[in-house]
Amino acid sequence: AQSVTQLDSQVPVFEEAPVELRCNYSSSVSVYLFWYVQYPNQGLQLLLKYLSGSTLVKGINGFEAEFNKSQTSFHLRKPSVHISDTAEYFCAVRDRGSTLGRLYFGRGTQLTVWP
Amino acid sequence: DADVTQTPRNRITKTGKRIMLECSQTKGHDRMYWYRQDPGLGLRLIYYSFDVKDINKGEISDGYSVSRQAQAKFSLSLESAIPNQTALYFCATSDPGLAGGSSYNEQFFGPGTRLTVL
Repeated sequence: AQSVTQLDSQVPVFEEAPVELRCNYSSSVSVYLFWYVQYPNQGLQLLLKYLSGSTLVKGINGFEAEFNKSQTSFHLRKPSVHISDTAEYFCAVRDRGSTLGRLYFGRGTQLTVWP
Repeated sequence: DADVTQTPRNRITKTGKRIMLECSQTKGHDRMYWYRQDPGLGLRLIYYSFDVKDINKGEISDGYSVSRQAQAKFSLSLESAIPNQTALYFCATSDPGLAGGSSYNEQFFGPGTRLTVL
């Protein structure tokens, strides 16, 4: 089974500052990678995903993530955050060769953007 | 209209009561999932179903049961609720589809049910 580690449970930043949310996964097998965002009192929404190809993936709301196979990481970045980015962010992994299709989630990172 | 709906959205119940959470989807997906979310623990898989006849336990299935009444409906039951089942519950769907498709491998989540067991 996969293990997904989000290294920071809480990340406070000021508005317009850059941010990086870190994610590492355990398996050396080929994987699909996802970032989901959960705004207060809402369900999860896909932010971006890596399936294959370019290791730099761009998502919605100006977020991007870079897949690093050697470091088994998929860190999420945004060059300038807004107060509306305040939310909880979840990294998720799926084994590429698995027919089960299940996702393994990290514990989440709460991003709080201050004015 | 939402593609994945959950009812109820909020529920307070007492220890020992039986409760059912329902999930419906209009996406036409075969695969459906139930997760629970607890603060600081992320999402953990309770049960998943690949079609009406295929139901599988996830990592935390004890104390829960499910029913896949139709392709579009997947219900989660707590036969005798206990306080440590207080959590936010999410239903999700996915469709393996075709590689390269826009929704390939993506899971689509409902809005969640907040359950409190007193």
